[in-house]
Amino acid sequence: GQSLEQPSEVTAVEGAIVQINCTYQTSGFYGLSWYQQHDGGAPTFLSYNALDGLEETGRFSSFLSRSDSYGYLLLQELQMKDSASYFCAVKAGGYNKLIFGAGTRLAVHP
Amino acid sequence: DAGVIQSPRHEVTEMGQEVTLRCKPISGHDYLFWYRQTMMRGLELLIYFNNNVPIDDSGMPEDRFSAKMPNASFSTLKIQPSEPRDSAVYFCASSSSSGTFNEQFFGPGTRLTVL
Repeated sequence: GQSLEQPSEVTAVEGAIVQINCTYQTSGFYGLSWYQQHDGGAPTFLSYNALDGLEETGRFSSFLSRSDSYGYLLLQELQMKDSASYFCAVKAGGYNKLIFGAGTRLAVHP
Repeated sequence: DAGVIQSPRHEVTEMGQEVTLRCKPISGHDYLFWYRQTMMRGLELLIYFNNNVPIDDSGMPEDRFSAKMPNASFSTLKIQPSEPRDSAVYFCASSSSSGTFNEQFFGPGTRLTVL
């Protein structure tokens, strides 16, 4: 089977850095994605890692270690608008199917 | 592009009624996904299509649920008969096999309430 684990909640203050971890168990791993979802909204794509290493996009970075079946999303210079749920998702087959984790709710405080 | 379009945005119905949710994917995308999201179960993949053909419907909870994709620009998810436990937000998403990041584009969702 396939499973993903990520923390259910994270709290941080404005301007800080927060890391959201994701571990996965799957067969036929192709890549790890991250999505952001604000309350009442739809998930939106943040990043995708197919190879080991760090991918940086502005204030957000994503890391993957295939050997450890582990990845993380790093959010820097936190802003109030970053308060949302963050989902890791694995592509585990030849099709574009994704399996989503349960999500991490990030609360950013002043 | 207008993005993925879903209708209706909100649906309130009574138990036993038939519910039909609609989705128009982004033009040119060859994958279409139906998800259900609840607090208890998170974001669940119900079924997905590739080039209008259903590939995996193992997430469809019961025979009460059915999905069709008659052409590349339209899909429906039908629940008949509906039950209160079907209350959830239903998302449709589409993606392209030629995309670099395997990105799925989600519609705004349909919030279904079954009384």
